[in-house]
Amino acid sequence: AAGVIQSPRHLIKEKRETATLKCYPIPRHDTVYWYQQGPGQDPQFLISFYEKMQSDKGSIPDRFSAQQFSDYHSELNMSSLELGDSALYFCASSSFTGSVTGELFFGEGSRLTVL
Amino acid sequence: AQSVTQLDSHVSVSEGTPVLLRCNYSSSYSPSLFWYVQHPNKGLQLLLKYTSAATLVKGINGFEAEFKKSETSFHLTKPSAHMSDAAEYFCVVSDRETSYDKVIFGPGTSLSVIP
Repeated sequence: AAGVIQSPRHLIKEKRETATLKCYPIPRHDTVYWYQQGPGQDPQFLISFYEKMQSDKGSIPDRFSAQQFSDYHSELNMSSLELGDSALYFCASSSFTGSVTGELFFGEGSRLTVL
Repeated sequence: AQSVTQLDSHVSVSEGTPVLLRCNYSSSYSPSLFWYVQHPNKGLQLLLKYTSAATLVKGINGFEAEFKKSETSFHLTKPSAHMSDAAEYFCVVSDRETSYDKVIFGPGTSLSVIP
């Protein structure tokens, strides 16, 4: 079965640079979530999209932006990178209209290292 | 408002002995509850879920959890620990809002299994 695909899996950037992470949800899933997991931390919710519209917002810095495109894939754009942005970034997808459970299906994550 | 408490940040058990990972939650509605497992440098894998059906839920790898509404608990158990169970475990609550599912992670419990 198709899973959530994230790219790139690993990314190394310098401070003040820009990074873009991509997420391809499971086919027919209408909702995408982004989480940030720092070393030894639990995943922190950043932002979510339902049917290409932002549905909920968490602790996403102003330097970050995200969107969901017409094909339901999502991109997380991070600018003016700081050392503290080094983390594992997870994307998850779910089917809001097709499910009553709220179960999230996670990708393998994109590991961002800021030097 | 939602919250999830995992009462132990770290649990250590001997191989072959029972596992108990505790989770308490608060929710304004009738939530869905999940346990996810994360092995080192890996993504998040669903262990089991409660979605207002049977209160005793069986998951993968011999894990199960019991939903107790009166105690607002959803503790994870396994009769006999295996070395491969060593990982980070997250209790997750999901509340259905009008147009999205609000998903909150607990802080995680690190399980160590001693040979």
